[in-house]
Parts: sequence; C-alpha cells; structure tokens
Amino acid sequence: KNQVEQSPQSLIILEGKNCTLQCNYTVSPFSNLRWYKQDTGRGPVSLTIMTFSENTKSNGRYTATLDADTKQSSLHITASQLSDSASYICVVTSILTGGGNKLTFGTGTQLKVEL
Amino acid sequence: DGGITQSPKYLFRKEGQNVTLSCEQNLNHDAMYWYRQDPGQGLRLIYYSQIVNDFQKGDIAEGYSVSREKKESFPLTVTSAQKNPTAFYLCASRDTAYTGELFFGEGSRLTVL
Repeated sequence: KNQVEQSPQSLIILEGKNCTLQCNYTVSPFSNLRWYKQDTGRGPVSLTIMTFSENTKSNGRYTATLDADTKQSSLHITASQLSDSASYICVVTSILTGGGNKLTFGTGTQLKVEL
Repeated sequence: DGGITQSPKYLFRKEGQNVTLSCEQNLNHDAMYWYRQDPGQGLRLIYYSQIVNDFQKGDIAEGYSVSREKKESFPLTVTSAQKNPTAFYLCASRDTAYTGELFFGEGSRLTVL
C-alpha cells in the first residue's frame, strides 16, 4: 500500500532555532515529492519539489533533501521565525499504469515556534 | 491576481440539508480537485476533473457530487447522504504535467449542527 509517513507529529521550538522534519514513503513508482506549508485555516502552499535525480533543494530558510534509495525526505528549517508556525505536509506523486498520476499525502507535522 | 477562490469560508448546515461549496480559478488550469481534511489525517481526494464536462470519483466520493460546466468552476455539493460532513474542504487546481504544482484555495469549513 502506498503510504507517506511524517515525523514528528508535532514539534515546539524556540525562535531562532533550527529543526528538521522527516518524511518516509513507500509510494512506487516515484515521480516527485513536494513539501507544502499550511497555515491554520488556510490552504497549503508549495515550498519545494524534489524529483528522482535531486537530493537537495533550498528555498530561503527551507532546505529539502531526498534519498530515493531509502525513500526518505527531510525538510530543514534554519533560524526559525514565529511565522514558521504551521503544518508541513509531505506529498508524493506516483505514476499510474496506463498514464496519469496519483498524489499521496502525509498527515503533516505541526510546528510551533515560540519566543 | 491569479488564484483559486473558495466560498463560503465558513458554512453551517442542518442535518438533512444539501450544501454547495464554490470553487473558481483563473489560472487557466485544466485539472481541478476537491479534498477533505480532517484532524490527524492526510488530505483525502473526493472528486477530480481533468477537463470540462468530465470528472472522476476520488477515494471518498460517497455523499458528494460535482459538476464541471466551465473550465474555471468546479463546485462541490455535500449531500444529505454524507454521514459525517463536518470537515475542512480544500479545492485545488494544476496544469496536467506530472510535476505540476497543486494550487489550493483558502478552504471552506463546513459544520453540521
């Protein structure tokens, strides 16, 4: 069964500190992996996309990594800010037999940044 | 600005009533999607449409209906047959490329009284 598991489920850190969120997947065949940020009561917004050949990609203070062999991805947030408080969702796209694709969503990591 | 507009933001419904959630996009995307989000669960696909006048059931279509009469619009009706409709509903669109990013609306929170 295609699954996307994220850890930790929730995390509290102090402003200015770094943190790393994890995403493990069993989705196959793999097309790409995206990290989304979802503020409370809002729609998710894409942070990064990782394809099979990429193992690191940065977007400002966000750095995503991908290990396609172990089927693991991480999202590292540097120098956290209060505005980073949100849910971070890992989404893996797989290619379906006969064409088309399917998105599998993780349950998200709820991050809270405190003063 | 280009984007996806969902309305209403909040909606209350009595048991036995049908309600329709609106979703409009001006991104010129062919594909549109409806997801349901519940606490502690990943987004679950209700319906999707790859082209006008065509749509497909997702993983949890029972109790829901959609239409796609225009490229820009993909309304979702939550019918009285949906046993547990209280949830946060998200509409999304994307171009049909495999790596196409999903663009989400701001969501609609439905509460059944």
